[in-house]
Amino acid sequence: QSALTQPASVSGSPGQSITISCTGTSSDIGNYKYVSWYQQHPGKAPKLMIYEVNNRPSGVSNRFSGSKSGNTASLTISGLQTEDEADYYCSSYTSSSTWVFGGGTQLTVL
Amino acid sequence: EVQLVESGGGLVQPGGSLRLSCADSGLTFSSNWMHWVRQVPGKGLVWVSRIESDGTTTNYADSVKGRFTISRDNAKNTLYLQMNSLRVEDTAVYYCARGEGSAGPAQWGQGTLVTVSS
Repeated sequence: QSALTQPASVSGSPGQSITISCTGTSSDIGNYKYVSWYQQHPGKAPKLMIYEVNNRPSGVSNRFSGSKSGNTASLTISGLQTEDEADYYCSSYTSSSTWVFGGGTQLTVL
Repeated sequence: EVQLVESGGGLVQPGGSLRLSCADSGLTFSSNWMHWVRQVPGKGLVWVSRIESDGTTTNYADSVKGRFTISRDNAKNTLYLQMNSLRVEDTAVYYCARGEGSAGPAQWGQGTLVTVSS
């Protein structure tokens, strides 16, 4: 149950686009469509932003999108806004019938 | 708005036990899989356990297997996590979350802090 691999930090300017990668294995991301992305602001609970690779829950801005290729999933945020500054986590269902999270990526909007 | 509210956290000595509860104010609790996820303050999210809607199937992270037990009472719309043989490294904020099948945690509670220390 090793954690998925995410970059520790990414940054961008308002209006720009950024992409956060999430690398797993053939036992998780590579073999399942059950990849989710979460946003967490300091002191708050995580919020689901993307589920099943590229689906947005009701109420989540269409500036957030997800994709997957092989063992790597990606979250793209377009038209960056200051309120997007937060920690982002990916997660995946695994072949052990468990779930695994990434280590988290801190997004800074410069 | 449908809410999940955790309770039962606190300070406990190593080797001790604690039971967390998660009350679901929604109308679909008995239909949802439920998860526990923990987070050491300042660190990342770690999946702990999950229980299917009827309570018959459970899964655990290796780090808690044999020490933690997840259960639910659908009549009371409540999820539980019984934590035994607690270790210092179990110190974390524990979140309950409602899930949609294999898609994983979706709606989250606000968390409850568990501190294991002598």
